[in-house]
Amino acid sequence: GENVEQHPSTLSVQEGDSAVIKCTYSDSASNYFPWYKQELGKRPQLIIDIRSNVGEKKDQRIAVTLNKTAKHFSLHITETQPEDSAVYFCAASRGSGGSYIPTFGRGTSLIVHP
Amino acid sequence: DADVTQTPRNRITKTGKRIMLECSQTKGHDRMYWYRQDPGLGLQLIYYSFDVKDINKGEISDGYSVSRQAQAKFSLSLESAIPNQTALYFCATSSTAYNEQFFGPGTRLTVL
Repeated sequence: GENVEQHPSTLSVQEGDSAVIKCTYSDSASNYFPWYKQELGKRPQLIIDIRSNVGEKKDQRIAVTLNKTAKHFSLHITETQPEDSAVYFCAASRGSGGSYIPTFGRGTSLIVHP
Repeated sequence: DADVTQTPRNRITKTGKRIMLECSQTKGHDRMYWYRQDPGLGLQLIYYSFDVKDINKGEISDGYSVSRQAQAKFSLSLESAIPNQTALYFCATSSTAYNEQFFGPGTRLTVL
């Protein structure tokens, strides 16, 4: 089955700095890569996703890059703000027509210091 | 707003007891999932269901069972709870058209 490794487990930055979280996956057939954000005491929520036919996707201050050859993908957050503090999970999955079953990484706790 | 709800939100039980966690959704999604979250271990899939007559095991199904009573309801049972099943449990849904999973608020289960 799929195996997803996520690093670092904890990331501490100053407000305004950039943050990068990296994930690697094992199944070369994986074709959908979502990122979820979980604030303290809340439920995970999708913040951005990317498909295998795209190398990069941006949404305001967040971006995700995908390197299919190396089987790794990364989340980039620029101009971090205290409200970005949360646990971030990457996931990898394969399928079609909504039949994706994601395998999640272990999460990265991002702490943004004011 | 359409939502995913879970009951109970917190539960403390004793070793050997049978317990059921319930999930309901008003999103009209046909796909439902149960995950377990432990600190530092991410989200691990227990069971998933693509429609009412479909039940599939996830990566950590041992010690758990599920029932899909209707499109909107998906229950998780622990037949004989043990302490290492103490965790935060999330239900999630998704549609056939989109891959995004929508999570419920979670149930914190403690097995003494």
